[in-house]
Amino acid sequence: EAGVAQSPRYKIIEKRQSVAFWCNPISGHATLYWYQQILGQGPKLLIQFQNNGVVDDSQLPKDRFSAERLKGVDSTLKIQPAKLEDSAVYLCASSYWGVGSEAFFGQGTRLTVV
Amino acid sequence: DAKTTQPPSMDCAEGRAANLPCNHSTISGNEYVYWYRQIHSQGPQYIIHGLKNNETNEMASLIITEDRKSSTLILPHATLRDTAVYYCIVSDSWGKLQFGAGTQVVVTP
Repeated sequence: EAGVAQSPRYKIIEKRQSVAFWCNPISGHATLYWYQQILGQGPKLLIQFQNNGVVDDSQLPKDRFSAERLKGVDSTLKIQPAKLEDSAVYLCASSYWGVGSEAFFGQGTRLTVV
Repeated sequence: DAKTTQPPSMDCAEGRAANLPCNHSTISGNEYVYWYRQIHSQGPQYIIHGLKNNETNEMASLIITEDRKSSTLILPHATLRDTAVYYCIVSDSWGKLQFGAGTQVVVTP
């Protein structure tokens, strides 16, 4: 089966610009996660969707970050405006139903803000 | 959310078993223990998970203590390709996966 697809793989932007990341989860997976991973740290959960509803977004900086999952399938994560400290790898993952299921991760998008 | 405690690093000889400990003393009855690993520059990879019973798959074994306050991931025959950061995670009733700092495992020839 196809894995979690993310695009783009790499992105370089200037601070105060906006950027968007796209994620296509594994077909049939109801749960979708977005993570931010700063170099040398573990992934930090930004937002978790169950179908097209938000389960947890407690660590999403809502003044600049937004995410949506239309029709409970694909998802986009947006940063507007970007700051230098947003430089990180953004990972998307999906699982069949969250609790009790394994999550599969995409390769991530490496964002560099200059 | 239940937190986990792992040693920051471990070394293991190639061909030997690697035993990775994890403490999760505040785990609740309906929370699962998950293990993931992350090889440099790749996304995390699922290894195994369990609720109460010990589990085994083609990659590893998971041993959960009877009181569920700690667990051990066992890689039966470590290879150089098992060098990675290993994360122990306690997942809540919604399947939330909060990663900590993990254990850096280095397998040496």
